Amino acid sequence: DAGVTQSPTHLIKTRGQQVTLRCSPKSGHDTVSWYQQALGQGPQFIFQYYEEEERQRGNFPDRFSGHQFPNYSSELNVNALLLGDSALYLCASSRPGDTEAFFGQGTRLTVV
Amino acid sequence: GQQLNQSPQSMFIQEGEDVSMNCTSSSIFNTWLWYKQDPGEGPVLLIALYKAGELTSNGRLTAQFGITRKDSFLNISASIPSDVGIYFCAGLNTNAGKSTFGDGTTLTVKP
Repeated sequence: DAGVTQSPTHLIKTRGQQVTLRCSPKSGHDTVSWYQQALGQGPQFIFQYYEEEERQRGNFPDRFSGHQFPNYSSELNVNALLLGDSALYLCASSRPGDTEAFFGQGTRLTVV
Repeated sequence: GQQLNQSPQSMFIQEGEDVSMNCTSSSIFNTWLWYKQDPGEGPVLLIALYKAGELTSNGRLTAQFGITRKDSFLNISASIPSDVGIYFCAGLNTNAGKSTFGDGTTLTVKP
């Protein structure tokens, strides 16, 4: 049973570019949440997708957008990258009503 | 917005010692979670607390949900080298996805 998988594992982008990160949830999970974890800090909630719709959103600008596909996998898109967007981006999957969300190992994004 | 304060920020202990770390919040949470994150990995859930005053154990780990619902602590007994990592507390009010995390306690265990 595969856990949460994210791709790519590492990525380097130039300021102003756009990036797409991908997440496949754990088998049986239909809800995907995205977090940004800056160095030395805890993860910060970006948004959550369920039934292919954004259900909740944290305090992130519109440059951060996402999508969920019918197979429950999800993408996180960030436009007009800033140096401050450099971070570990974590995807977590869960089932409605569950307390536990399972995290992937993350995508390390570096903006130069 | 909601904010969680974890202390201490880091700990250096000898193998075999007990460890205690805590988390306080400016807001009430219905659920408290404790995670461990190893380098290059995502957080892994250690303990979940659902009721104010609840004390829960998982092996050498014990955690408590504060009566006010604004704080929690985690104890690790008889630490071993594989306990090294970053421990995060997280508060949850709605569903499993949207958690508010603290900034972590980095634990180093010297053999």
